[in-house]
Amino acid sequence: GAGVSQSPSNKVTEKGKDVELRCDPISGHTALYWYRQRLGQGLEFLIYFQGNSAPDKSGLPSDRFSAERTGESVSTLTIQRTQQEDSAVYLCASSTRGGRPETQYFGPGTRLLVL
Amino acid sequence: AQSVTQPDIHITVSEGASLELRCNYSYGATPYLFWYVQSPGQGLQLLLKYFSGDTLVQGIKGFEAEFKRSQSSFNLRKPSVHWSDAAEYFCAVVGSNTGNQFYFGTGTSLTVIP
Repeated sequence: GAGVSQSPSNKVTEKGKDVELRCDPISGHTALYWYRQRLGQGLEFLIYFQGNSAPDKSGLPSDRFSAERTGESVSTLTIQRTQQEDSAVYLCASSTRGGRPETQYFGPGTRLLVL
Repeated sequence: AQSVTQPDIHITVSEGASLELRCNYSYGATPYLFWYVQSPGQGLQLLLKYFSGDTLVQGIKGFEAEFKRSQSSFNLRKPSVHWSDAAEYFCAVVGSNTGNQFYFGTGTSLTVIP
């Protein structure tokens, strides 16, 4: 079946603009994760959704970052008033049930460049 | 706090040679451990995982990893590397008290020379 998809694949924006990144998880996967991967660094956890439970937002770096998910489908990650340090690849992953230690399936990522 | 260290930023091996990528974790109890591979332009793909039981786990593409509690390590190995193995490799840990948060290492970039 189809894997995790993300759009856009690349996004160039100007400092101060808002951006919205989209993630389509694998159908039937109840858990969805967002990560940030800066150049030359590992993955940084941002936020986790599990079904209709309150999301785990503990990884969001500032209040400029927010994410939503409608039910068990699409999720959007919004970055307001983008800064140059927000430039990174944003990865989305989904898994079944969300219970540890479920395998996460990753999308190809959105490469964000803030000028 | 949980953490993962991959001491080798970059490794170069000849095709056909053996490979070992190091991963050390910090966690007080038995962790859940993963190795992912990220090929250029592609998403991360799970190679293998350790939950419990046999400390030597087999994965896809001929990879294996061994959990050594005494050394807090989960090194990835392959007896004979293929040119297509050139990629970025990430080790990750999930602890029993970290909710669903995966902690990833900074990755090891593998170059394979003919």
